[in-house]
Amino acid sequence: GENVEQHPSTLSVQEGDSAVIKCTYSDSASNYFPWYKQELGKRPQLIIDIRSNVGEKKDQRIAVTLNKTAKHFSLHITETQPEDSAVYFCAARGLYNQGGKLIFGQGTELSVKP
Amino acid sequence: IAGITQAPTSQILAAGRRMTLRCTQDMRHNAMYWYRQDLGLGLRLIHYSNTAGTTGKGEVPDGYSVSRANTDDFPLTLASAVPSQTSVYFCASSEGPDQPQHFGDGTRLSIL
Repeated sequence: GENVEQHPSTLSVQEGDSAVIKCTYSDSASNYFPWYKQELGKRPQLIIDIRSNVGEKKDQRIAVTLNKTAKHFSLHITETQPEDSAVYFCAARGLYNQGGKLIFGQGTELSVKP
Repeated sequence: IAGITQAPTSQILAAGRRMTLRCTQDMRHNAMYWYRQDLGLGLRLIHYSNTAGTTGKGEVPDGYSVSRANTDDFPLTLASAVPSQTSVYFCASSEGPDQPQHFGDGTRLSIL
C-alpha cells in the first residue's frame, strides 16, 4: 500500500524567510496530493492541493510542486508570518478504482519567529 | 467548515465500555471518513464510506465499526473500548471519493 514520508518533523524560520516541507510517496499510481494546516487544538484545514497532471500550483504565498518521476512533492511558503506557525501535513491518494485512500505524512511543526 | 458536526467534543470512558462517536454533515457530500490522530503518527484512516449504504476499511479498522444509513450521518462505534484507542478522532467528508476532504472539529477520547 501507499506510504508517505514527510520531512523535516520540525522547522523553525525567521519571519519573512521561506519554508519548505518535503514529502515522498511510494505508490506510483497516486494522483492527488493535498496539504493541510493544523493549528493547536483545531481541525486540519486544506490549504492547497495538486493533481498528478500538474507540476506546480500557487496560491498567494504558498505553492506546491510535484515530481512524479522521483515521487516527491513539496510545500513552499514564502514571506512567512507568525500566523503560519502550525503543524503541516501532506497526503497522497491512489486511484479511486484501485481503492485509493488518503494516506498522510507524519506532520511538520513549523515555527515562525518574529 | 461549519457543515460537519462531531459529538461529543470530548469523552472519558472506562475500558470495556461501548461508545459511539457521532458525525453529521449538511453539505450533501457523498463520501465520509473517520481518522484517528496520535502524536507522531499523523492522521490514520479508520473507515470510510464513498456513498450512502457502503463502507470500507482504512489503515486501522480493528476495534471499530461504522454504518452509513443515509447521506448525512456516519457514526463510529467502539464495541469494547481499550486504552490504545485513546486518541483524537476526526470525521471528514468530500463531495466524492476523488474530491478534497474537509474535517470536523474532532472528538478527544480518553480510555481509562
